[in-house]
Amino acid sequence: ETGVTQSPTHLIKTRGQQVTLRCSSQSGHNTVSWYQQALGQGPQFIFQYYREEENGRGNFPPRFSGLQFPNYSSELNVNALELDDSALYLCASSLDRVYSEQFFGPGTRLTVL
Amino acid sequence: GDSVTQMEGPVTLSEEAFLTINCTYTATGYPSLFWYVQYPGEGLQLLLKATKADDKGSNKGFEATYRKETTSFHLEKGSVQVSDSAVYFCALSAPSYGKLTFGQGTILTVHP
Repeated sequence: ETGVTQSPTHLIKTRGQQVTLRCSSQSGHNTVSWYQQALGQGPQFIFQYYREEENGRGNFPPRFSGLQFPNYSSELNVNALELDDSALYLCASSLDRVYSEQFFGPGTRLTVL
Repeated sequence: GDSVTQMEGPVTLSEEAFLTINCTYTATGYPSLFWYVQYPGEGLQLLLKATKADDKGSNKGFEATYRKETTSFHLEKGSVQVSDSAVYFCALSAPSYGKLTFGQGTILTVHP
């Protein structure tokens, strides 16, 4: 059984640029959630996708957007990058939107200069 | 809204010492409760979970009991090892909604 994978591992961007992060969910999982983890902090919920539809959103501005594809993989897009967007971005998948146990990928480390 | 509060860290222990990391929560209804562990440079791994009051989650010698009356889910281990050095996160998930709310994390360092 393949676990959750994310790409790229690391990324460096400059302020104002746009970035796309990718996530492949664990086999059989139809729900993907994205989290932002700033240095020394706990992860913060960005949004969740269930069967290609957004199913809940945290306190993040609209320049954070996402997609989920028919194979349940997902993308996180961030426009107009700001310095405070520098963080570890974690993707997690679960069997279903009401199934609370989530399995995390290794994360993408984004640095904004 | 939902929130999780963990004890301030970092925690430094000698090998074979007893570990307690306190966690309290605020939530409506009956959330599920989790402990996740994060090793340096890695993502989060589920350590244990409990889905209803008085449930005890356990894994790899770690235990935590869901205490509804005190809204707590404290993590314990009787004898820590150097390999337990990591960051530990307490988290909750509201009923019928998969969003996880995390505490700020507690850094544990175990010395030989």
